[in-house]
Amino acid sequence: ETGVTQSPTHLIKTRGQQVTLRCSSQSGHNTVSWYQQALGQGPQFIFQYYREEENGRGNFPPRFSGLQFPNYSSELNVNALELDDSALYLCASSFPRGGGGYTFGSGTRLTVV
Amino acid sequence: AQRVTQPEKLLSVFKGAPVELKCNYSYSGSPELFWYVQYSRQRLQLLLRHISRESIKGFTADLNKGETSFHLKKPFAQEEDSAMYYCALSGGGADGLTFGKGTHLIIQP
Repeated sequence: ETGVTQSPTHLIKTRGQQVTLRCSSQSGHNTVSWYQQALGQGPQFIFQYYREEENGRGNFPPRFSGLQFPNYSSELNVNALELDDSALYLCASSFPRGGGGYTFGSGTRLTVV
Repeated sequence: AQRVTQPEKLLSVFKGAPVELKCNYSYSGSPELFWYVQYSRQRLQLLLRHISRESIKGFTADLNKGETSFHLKKPFAQEEDSAMYYCALSGGGADGLTFGKGTHLIIQP
């Protein structure tokens, strides 16, 4: 059974640029959610994808967008990067509605300069 | 709005002493509560979920709906319990998990 894998592990971008983060879900899981974890804070829910559609969203602006592919992997895209976007981005996979709990990846550390 | 509060940012106890990490929540319906743990340089991993009612690594947590709490307890702390602990809530829909800010538990020898 493979766990959740995320790439890249670290990334440095300039303010105003765009970034794409990738996530492969755990074998058997068909739901993927993304979280932003700022330094010293708990993870904050960005959005969730199920059957290739976004079916839940937290309090994040539209410049945060995503995709889910037929193999259940997912991408998080952030446009017009701001300094405050610097954070650890976590991907989690699960069965629908979080059944069985959520399995997290190691995260992508994004630094915006 | 749903919310999870972990009042202690840092908790330091001696090895062998009891441990209690506090978690209070605010939610209008019937949530599912979780404890996640993050050991140094490792990923976030599920420790407990309230519906399982099981003990993992000696830890237990009971959901108290009257006090809207889900405190994590262990009778005798071990050095390997040192980690960040996050309490989280799920409404069972598509809103993912709502996390507290976490408690850094340090077990002193």
